[in-house]
Amino acid sequence: DGGITQSPKYLFRKEGQNVTLSCEQNLNHDAMYWYRQDPGQGLRLIYYSQIVNDFQKGDIAEGYSVSREKKESFPLTVTSAQKNPTAFYLCASSTLTSGNINEQFFGPGTRLTVL
Amino acid sequence: AQSVAQPEDQVNVAEGNPLTVKCTYSVSGNPYLFWYVQYPNRGLQFLLKYITGDNLVKGSYGFEAEFNKSQTSFHLKKPSALVSDSALYFCAVRPTMDSNYQLIWGAGTKLIIKP
Repeated sequence: DGGITQSPKYLFRKEGQNVTLSCEQNLNHDAMYWYRQDPGQGLRLIYYSQIVNDFQKGDIAEGYSVSREKKESFPLTVTSAQKNPTAFYLCASSTLTSGNINEQFFGPGTRLTVL
Repeated sequence: AQSVAQPEDQVNVAEGNPLTVKCTYSVSGNPYLFWYVQYPNRGLQFLLKYITGDNLVKGSYGFEAEFNKSQTSFHLKKPSALVSDSALYFCAVRPTMDSNYQLIWGAGTKLIIKP
């Protein structure tokens, strides 16, 4: 099946721990994105990447880090510096054309809970 | 500031009746417009998009949306609602004057279809 996979589906973190969320796509998309979703709010962009070995901060990058060593993979690390990390995290990807009017495809999400 | 508004947190519709989920935006230039649907604890699924041309756009699952430039709106519609349409709906806008390919998201509208 083609698509985006995220793992794990549920993740529990203790205070002070770093955790890494996985995102893999086999759609051959150039661009990948990480969003955070909180109840009653729209999606907020954490980081995005348009090409391997390059990524850009989104609106709420503080306390998060990413890497893009392969086209297919865009892992997100939630560091201990993120003060309120409990949320639903969504990874997405899209093709890139002039003007980027292509829709984003989303993974199933990872729900992170801080204990 | 550029923004997207979904003025209703929740919309209740009886099965078989027409439904409308509202979206208005405030962005510079002529934006690209998207609707997505999210089922509980799942990622978002693309429904439809408006790029240019006919103001009425048809999408997945019998949904359509009407672009109104003068009212800066992009309301989602369906002639006859199904119980299975119950979900969270997000409107998103891609400003064409923006070179970083980011989407601006509405906060979401919960659609409840009652049998």
